[in-house]
Amino acid sequence: GAGVSQSPRYKVAKRGQDVALRCDPISGHVSLFWYQQALGQGPEFLTYFQNEAQLDKSGLPSDRFFAERPEGSVSTLKIQRTQQEDSAVYLCASSLKENTEAFFGQGTRLTVV
Amino acid sequence: GQQVMQIPQYQHVQEGEDFTTYCNSSTTLSNIQWYKQRPGGHPVFLIQLVKSGEVKKQKRLTFQFGEAKKNSSLHITATQTTDVGTYFCPLEVNQGGKLIFGQGTELSVKP
Repeated sequence: GAGVSQSPRYKVAKRGQDVALRCDPISGHVSLFWYQQALGQGPEFLTYFQNEAQLDKSGLPSDRFFAERPEGSVSTLKIQRTQQEDSAVYLCASSLKENTEAFFGQGTRLTVV
Repeated sequence: GQQVMQIPQYQHVQEGEDFTTYCNSSTTLSNIQWYKQRPGGHPVFLIQLVKSGEVKKQKRLTFQFGEAKKNSSLHITATQTTDVGTYFCPLEVNQGGKLIFGQGTELSVKP
């Protein structure tokens, strides 16, 4: 596709429910990032992949958060047993290689009720 | 740890006025990127500066990288309502492309 695609765009989950957020990066982009953005704040880093290798997961807030990119393209961010504080926009970004511009998807707005 | 401070946090201008936002780092930066996020939108890359003292222009936008590579600025001449949004200068960490965002500068333009 022409850009980074994320699905779903909106997700409402009941507290305690598991959710899976998908990211389709730009074809050929080696690096993939997940960010969490709360209302009125800047994006906060969650995790980073280089191809299929997860090189940095220091931003994941708890062990309920898990990300994978098994074939080095599509990535999934999974949140188990969602809580209200997980409500945020989850942004995925990809870049061709290190130190180049990041292209962001439109994000998934997660609301936990 | 490393961080980039951005000021001001908010700026309200009348359409046609100029606008400037500043980023300051406590350490020397290898490069600096600027992003714009419109309300309800996602961050969009504007530019990357690499060289000491570098100045780049994009129409009404002028980007500068300080001589010591510790600060940067974005100046918009004669703002328009299309300039509304939040401007970020995230810190790149560990050479892997990981970006650390601050709160950015939120620009509102009154027509």
